[in-house]
Amino acid sequence: EPEVTQTPSHQVTQMGQEVILRCVPISNHLYFYWYRQILGQKVEFLVSFYNNEISEKSEIFDDQFSVERPDGSNFTLKIRSTKLEDSAMYFCASSEHSGTAQETQYFGPGTRLLVL
Amino acid sequence: AQKITQTQPGMFVQEKEAVTLDCTYDTSDQSYGLFWYKQPSSGEMIFLIYQGSYDEQNATEGRYSLNFQKARKSANLVISASQLGDSAMYFCAMREPGGGSEKLVFGKGTKLTVNP
Repeated sequence: EPEVTQTPSHQVTQMGQEVILRCVPISNHLYFYWYRQILGQKVEFLVSFYNNEISEKSEIFDDQFSVERPDGSNFTLKIRSTKLEDSAMYFCASSEHSGTAQETQYFGPGTRLLVL
Repeated sequence: AQKITQTQPGMFVQEKEAVTLDCTYDTSDQSYGLFWYKQPSSGEMIFLIYQGSYDEQNATEGRYSLNFQKARKSANLVISASQLGDSAMYFCAMREPGGGSEKLVFGKGTKLTVNP
């Protein structure tokens, strides 16, 4: 069964460093998403991406964040200068279609980011 | 106002019994989708079940069913014949595609513990 994969599973970084989180969405999916979950809190939307551009972003997704689809399979989230409060689980998700309520987003296993 | 409210921070159930996890939502859209995800202690987000606002039948997927009461704006998850492996966090989420939004909005979750 196709699934979303994410690498690395865990990343520890120093404050101020850049990190790149990688995702491989399900192959026939066209819509990609990043969410984050701070420990013990609810899952929060960061950004959605379609047709090689951002289609929606939250107020969390400031200039420190960027997303890219560098090739036909990978989808990346870059944090330019990490802060302590960026420590969270980051989930990538993908869906086949959008524009209708019923298109399920399938989540990857997450990358647990710890900023020291 | 909270879009998704899950009022039960924790629930306990005996193995083989049924349990209902509550979810109420707030929207003025006519078209929306409601989703339930399971998050085991390992951290991944597993899609369980979907209910569309125009669906007349309650959704079912194996041991999972959704008790959808549109007038009350509730979408409770029912797990029948609980198993030890059902112990996890459960998140209710909503998508409102009107206006072009693709994001899922999550509740705070309910931690389910299944006792042997």
